[in-house]
Amino acid sequence: RKEVEQDPGPFNVPEGATVAFNCTYSNSASQSFFWYRQDCRKEPKLLMSVYSSGNEDGRFTAQLNRASQYISLLIRDSKLSDSATYLCAVNPSSGGSYIPTFGRGTSLIVHP
Amino acid sequence: DGGITQSPKYLFRKEGQNVTLSCEQNLNHDAMYWYRQDPGQGLRLIYYSQIVNDFQKGDIAEGYSVSREKKESFPLTVTSAQKNPTAFYLCASSQWGGQNSNQPQHFGDGTRLSIL
Repeated sequence: RKEVEQDPGPFNVPEGATVAFNCTYSNSASQSFFWYRQDCRKEPKLLMSVYSSGNEDGRFTAQLNRASQYISLLIRDSKLSDSATYLCAVNPSSGGSYIPTFGRGTSLIVHP
Repeated sequence: DGGITQSPKYLFRKEGQNVTLSCEQNLNHDAMYWYRQDPGQGLRLIYYSQIVNDFQKGDIAEGYSVSREKKESFPLTVTSAQKNPTAFYLCASSQWGGQNSNQPQHFGDGTRLSIL
């Protein structure tokens, strides 16, 4: 089983739709979690951290489910400009390695 | 503005040539990383460094070398031993370890390397 897995998509949704992505991780001791956005041929940019209690930033909501070992990203009222690849990153717990593991990303296409 | 600067943006390598990609950060981060991304693929870790004068191999270190003589700088050399170097190379930095392990990575804007 891969350490961090994402559905590659693409998720093809109309403007205004609500869309959700999941990211599963295998290391139950993982400590911190992030969502990044990557536009075509650009670098990943931090979208938001994922907190245990869940957190929201405008139209974006991130949640963590430790029992089932996944994080989710919900985008409400999708905009054309939301079209991108969304990467999740999982930081391990202490124990010598703090190297994050990235998923391969989920592609989102928002169409008019 | 604090950030990570990679140069050049585009680089072409001839057969048998070594090339060096530059990465500089002014975020005062302890840790720096190099990733390779191929089309439609995820990020693969080449090398990382937790502290000056120390670095560790990542998952795909063969054919690459790095140095970390200054906290701000982590150059990557793609050697002639790397037979398939065409990719998008990303440098990142973050705080390292302990209570900082919940800190995200910040990325430079990447270097595209192609073979001539």
